[in-house]
Amino acid sequence: AAGVIQSPRHLIKEKRETATLKCYPIPRHDTVYWYQQGPGQDPQFLISFYEKMQSDKGSIPDRFSAQQFSDYHSELNMSSLELGDSALYFCASSFLGASIPGNTEAFFGQGTRLTVV
Amino acid sequence: SQELEQSPQSLIVQEGKNLTINCTSSKTLYGLYWYKQKYGEGLIFLMMLQKGGEEKSHEKITAKLDEKKQQSSLHITASQPSHAGIYLCGAVPPISSGSARQLTFGSGTQLTVLP
Repeated sequence: AAGVIQSPRHLIKEKRETATLKCYPIPRHDTVYWYQQGPGQDPQFLISFYEKMQSDKGSIPDRFSAQQFSDYHSELNMSSLELGDSALYFCASSFLGASIPGNTEAFFGQGTRLTVV
Repeated sequence: SQELEQSPQSLIVQEGKNLTINCTSSKTLYGLYWYKQKYGEGLIFLMMLQKGGEEKSHEKITAKLDEKKQQSSLHITASQPSHAGIYLCGAVPPISSGSARQLTFGSGTQLTVLP
């Protein structure tokens, strides 16, 4: 079965550079979530999109932005990179539709490991 | 905000032993996810629970959500080295009109299975 696909898998950038991470959700899923996982930490929610509209915002820095496109893929844009941005970035997708509370499964991609040097 | 506490933080067991990981929430759980993560890799969905008293099994892994819906346990029977990894529980807040819902994760339990 198709899973959530993220690209690239690994990315090395220098401080103050810009990075773009891509996420391709499971076909027919209408919701995309972005998470950041620092070394030894649990994933922290950044932002989510439902039907191409931003739906929730977590601890996403102002230097980061994201969008979901007409084909439901999403991109996380990160500017003025800092050393502290080095982390695993996960994308997850689910189908909310007219969901019953709690009745949604969320599947994660393999993540993009960003290293800022 | 909802907080999840997992225990133990780390666990080392001999192959073949049973083990249990707990996830306790500060608020009522409306949906509870269990994921497994290998170091530096993606989160693998194990199962989702939403009803009080619900129990689900997948191969040798069983998860339960207690009746009061504030605690879940993950039980592994006859553990194998392939079970090693970090187990994360994730909670979903109540659905609110017009918004998608993000997961809040516990801090994880590091499981090591010795051959």
